[in-house]
This record gives sequence, C-alpha cells and structure tokens, in this order.
Amino acid sequence: GENVGLHLPTLSVQEGDNSIINCAYSNSASDYFIWYKQESGKGPQFIIDIRSNMDKRQGQRVTVLLNKTVKHLSLQIAATQPGDSAVYFCAENSSTLGRLYFGRGTQLTVWP
Amino acid sequence: DAGVIQSPRHEVTEMGQEVTLRCKPISGHDYLFWYRQTMMRGLELLIYFNNNVPIDDSGMPEDRFSAKMPNASFSTLKIQPSEPRDSAVYFCASSLGRSKYFGPGTRLTVT
Repeated sequence: GENVGLHLPTLSVQEGDNSIINCAYSNSASDYFIWYKQESGKGPQFIIDIRSNMDKRQGQRVTVLLNKTVKHLSLQIAATQPGDSAVYFCAENSSTLGRLYFGRGTQLTVWP
Repeated sequence: DAGVIQSPRHEVTEMGQEVTLRCKPISGHDYLFWYRQTMMRGLELLIYFNNNVPIDDSGMPEDRFSAKMPNASFSTLKIQPSEPRDSAVYFCASSLGRSKYFGPGTRLTVT
C-alpha cells in the first residue's frame, strides 16, 4: 500500500560492512519492483529494479533479492560507505496499473 | 540530461494564497507524476499523466488542488487557496517505461 509512517525503521552499520534492507510488499499482482535512495533534502533516486520473473539482480555494490512466495524484497549493499547513508524505499508496480506504491522506507546510517 | 527540473525549490506563503509548482520532465518521457511527501504520510501519489493526459487523479486531496500538463515538457500543480496542512515537499517524477526519475522537490511551507 501507500507509504505511511512517522517512525521509520532504522539500520546502523559500520563503514565497510554489508547492509541488508528488507521490504514486504502487499500486492500479489505486482510484477515490477524498484529500490530508491533518498538523501536528506533530495528526491528519491533510482538504484535498481527487478521484474517478477527474476529472483535476484545485481548492480554495482547492490543486489536485490525477490521472494514472491512470501512477498519479500531485500536490498543488499556491499562494503557500505558513509555516502550510502539515506532513507531507502522499495516500490511495487503492476503492469495493469500506472501507480507505484512505496514502502515505509528504512533509514540507513553508516558510521565511519 | 539535466533530469527532472522543479521550481521553485522552496516556497513560503500565507494561508489563503495561491501556490503554483512547476515541473519540466526528462525529455522523451511519456509519464509524469506528482507526489507529496510528509513525515506523517510518507510519499503519496497525487496525480499522473500519460502523454499529457491526466490518467489518475484519485490522490488529489481536494478541489483546492489542480494539475495541468499543457505540453510534453511542462506541468503545473496549483493549490488555491493554500492551507497550513498543505505544507510538504512536492515531487515531480517522469518515466519512459516503468522506472521513475524524481526531481529535487519543492518544499512548501504555508503559514
């Protein structure tokens, strides 16, 4: 559903560690998923996407995993850097709808 | 490409005044979206256009809100009259296909 929430889940990691951010989506008909990164004072920035016919997709330092059985999505960031500190949103979409539904967002803080 | 361009970046206005937010999508993109972001409600889709035609405006909160897209390179979101509860960051996004690219947002404060 739509992103709602005053209190964001938070994840704190040390620089160099790997980060895993999780997201549960709601619509079984969703067939396309996107991860966005939003830094303070900026708009959401596209990171990586995955279609429902895949269960894993890799980018540069990032990997998205999709488990359709439990409607779960995760974003893995390798060797996390301070510049990765941001709020990360997952978003779901179905081919029958133009709307993109955003998850709650997770605040990632990377400590040097 | 310069990305999605929004103006103004910040707007402070008094309750009752008209506010117009502007957006220039990425050239060639055929979808344009207006979102609102607040701490309480997160990111909310207000309206989206396909080839300049409004497709879904069910997210527009009230009649005080209106949006237009007179051509492929320009859209406006208007609030008249504005109210303090309209204070938020308003994002415009565009897409060709299913990946949406967001602008930097307009931070609106209504006092």
